[in-house]
Amino acid sequence: SQKIEQNSEALNIQEGKTATLTCNYTNYSPAYLQWYRQDPGRGPVFLLLIRENEKEKRKERLKVTFDTTLKQSLFHITASQPADSATYLCALKETGGFKTIFGAGTRLFVKA
Amino acid sequence: EAGVAQSPRYKIIEKRQSVAFWCNPISGHATLYWYQQILGQGPKLLIQFQNNGVVDDSQLPKDRFSAERLKGVDSTLKIQPAKLEDSAVYLCASSLGQNGYTFGSGTRLTVV
Repeated sequence: SQKIEQNSEALNIQEGKTATLTCNYTNYSPAYLQWYRQDPGRGPVFLLLIRENEKEKRKERLKVTFDTTLKQSLFHITASQPADSATYLCALKETGGFKTIFGAGTRLFVKA
Repeated sequence: EAGVAQSPRYKIIEKRQSVAFWCNPISGHATLYWYQQILGQGPKLLIQFQNNGVVDDSQLPKDRFSAERLKGVDSTLKIQPAKLEDSAVYLCASSLGQNGYTFGSGTRLTVV
């Protein structure tokens, strides 16, 4: 069956460290993968998009990698801050498909 | 640029009643999406419009849910009759081309 899996356990890290979140997928052929941030009571906010032929994308303190062999994307936040505390969602769009499928998200807590 | 507008923000109804949600996407965005997000889960696509045509509604419970997008701009999502399991946040999003989605803040529906 098709699955998008993100760590269901919350990630707790110390301010200043690098947070790494994982998104694994099964039985999909992704055209691209997106990462979103969601704060309580708000809609998701788009952060980064990485295509299947790209290995890495960066934006300020954010970095996304995409390994189609491992069927995995990693999302990194360097020099993390308490304001980075939120739920991070990965979302996948299949090649030739119309819809984007979301993972359940991973909750990140950054302690001062 | 104005964001995606949704109303109402909150709605409490009794089971078997009907409810409607409204969405105004970002001007010029051809694609509009309605997602259902149950607490602790990722958003699940209900219906996707391209201009005013339906691209995907495979996960829309059509016996009780309906949606329309008049003139390719605003959209409404209706539930009639509501069930307890419809309690969720209903998110509207819009996009232009192969870019990230812009989400509204959502409507939190509670069915009692």
